[in-house]
Amino acid sequence: DIQMTQSPSSLSASVGDRVTITCRASQGISNYLAWYQQKPTKLPKLLIYGASTLQLGVPSRFSGSGSGTQFTLTISSLQPEDAATYYCQKYNNVPTFGQGTRLEIK
Amino acid sequence: QVQLVQSGAEVKEPGASVKLSCKASGYTFSNYDIHWVRQATGQGLEYMGWINPNSGNTDYAQNFQGRVTLTRDTSISTAYMELSSLTSEDTAVYYCSRDKVGPSPLDLWGQGTLVTVSS
Repeated sequence: DIQMTQSPSSLSASVGDRVTITCRASQGISNYLAWYQQKPTKLPKLLIYGASTLQLGVPSRFSGSGSGTQFTLTISSLQPEDAATYYCQKYNNVPTFGQGTRLEIK
Repeated sequence: QVQLVQSGAEVKEPGASVKLSCKASGYTFSNYDIHWVRQATGQGLEYMGWINPNSGNTDYAQNFQGRVTLTRDTSISTAYMELSSLTSEDTAVYYCSRDKVGPSPLDLWGQGTLVTVSS
């Protein structure tokens, strides 16, 4: 199975900051990459798919980029409600999740 | 209402098997693959496998090969996940989710089923 590695594992940032999370695939996956947000005790929520397409209803401060093996999720201006764990997932063939990035608000 | 409704919590002894269900409603069952993902307390999402409700084709993550079996009953729009040889490390919340047939992200999740493995 292809491995997905996220970095950092956790980070702390202030409201208004620009935040970037990286996801690396052990082999090329074209753009079959999604990002999910999960808050404590809640279900994962799809934010981005196709590496860069924003899911309907997701705030425009979220954006994604990348192709092949290197991907990023960017939050342009961090808001208090963005505190959560973020997961990347490759969704072609046998899907795989990254280990997650826990985002804390200072 | 488009939803996936999962069966209730289970408590199993080590070595036993567990079979969970996931009932789809509000959409055409055969148009979406059903996936299973689990999450231990305080841990990340762990992918288990998927089933195509139309064909019955399945594929499993390497970590679960030989221990998980996915099935479905199209007459009642329900998918099942059976996990055998349970250990305490299988204690987790198990989620079903769906994606449109063909590589697609997971856009709908069941509410989750807690499986506790304890003697």
